[in-house]
Amino acid sequence: DVKVTQSSRYLVKRTGEKVFLECVQDMDHENMFWYRQDPGLGLRLIYFSYDVKMKEKGDIPEGYSVSREKKERFSLILESASTNQTSMYLCASSGTATNEKLFFGSGTQLSVL
Amino acid sequence: GQNIDQPTEMTATEGAIVQINCTYQTSGFNGLFWYQQHAGEAPTFLSYNVLDGLEEKGRFSSFLSRSKGYSYLLLKELQMKDSASYLCAVRGRNTGGFKTIFGAGTRLFVKA
Repeated sequence: DVKVTQSSRYLVKRTGEKVFLECVQDMDHENMFWYRQDPGLGLRLIYFSYDVKMKEKGDIPEGYSVSREKKERFSLILESASTNQTSMYLCASSGTATNEKLFFGSGTQLSVL
Repeated sequence: GQNIDQPTEMTATEGAIVQINCTYQTSGFNGLFWYQQHAGEAPTFLSYNVLDGLEEKGRFSSFLSRSKGYSYLLLKELQMKDSASYLCAVRGRNTGGFKTIFGAGTRLFVKA
C-alpha cells in the first residue's frame, strides 16, 4: 500500500525553538509538498519540491525552510518557532503527470507555546 | 495570482443530491481536483477534471468549465458518511513543477 509518513502526529515546542518536521514517501514520487491547514483558511502551500535539491516557494513561505536531500524525504524546518505557526501540517507527494493526485500523510499537529 | 472560492458550509438531507460549487482564477491551468476530508483525517482524492464537461464516478460527479473558471462536485444519494469537508484544488504550473492550490473547503453536514 502506498504511503506518505510524517514522523510525528503531535508535537509541542516552545517559542524560539528550531523545529524539524519530516516526511517520507515510498512511491518514488518526484513532487513533494508541505501545507498547513487552519480553520477557515483551508490548506495553504508553504513549499514544494519537484526534484532532489530543488524547491519552490508556495504562498506562505515566510518563517519556513525546506530540505530535499533524497527523493523520498522532504523536511520542513521552522528556524525559530512562533505561536502563529501553531497549526496542522500536512505533507503530500505526487508523480509528474498533470493528472496525478496528491497522496497525503496523516498530518502533524504542532503547538508552539 | 491564484484564487479559489467555495462555500463555507452546506447542509443536506440523507438520500438527497447536493452540488458544491467552486470558482477559481489561476495561471497555467493543469487541472482541477476534488478531495474529501473527514474530521481529523488527511484529504483523499475524489476526482480530476482537465477538459470541459462532466466526469462521473459512482455517486460522485464533477463538472468543469474552463472558460468560466467554474467547477462543481455533485453528490447523489447522500449518506451520513458523506458528512465531511470537500476541497477544491487547482493545479497550475510554475517553473520546474506543478503547484496545487486549495480552496478553504466546504463543510457538508448530512442530516437524517
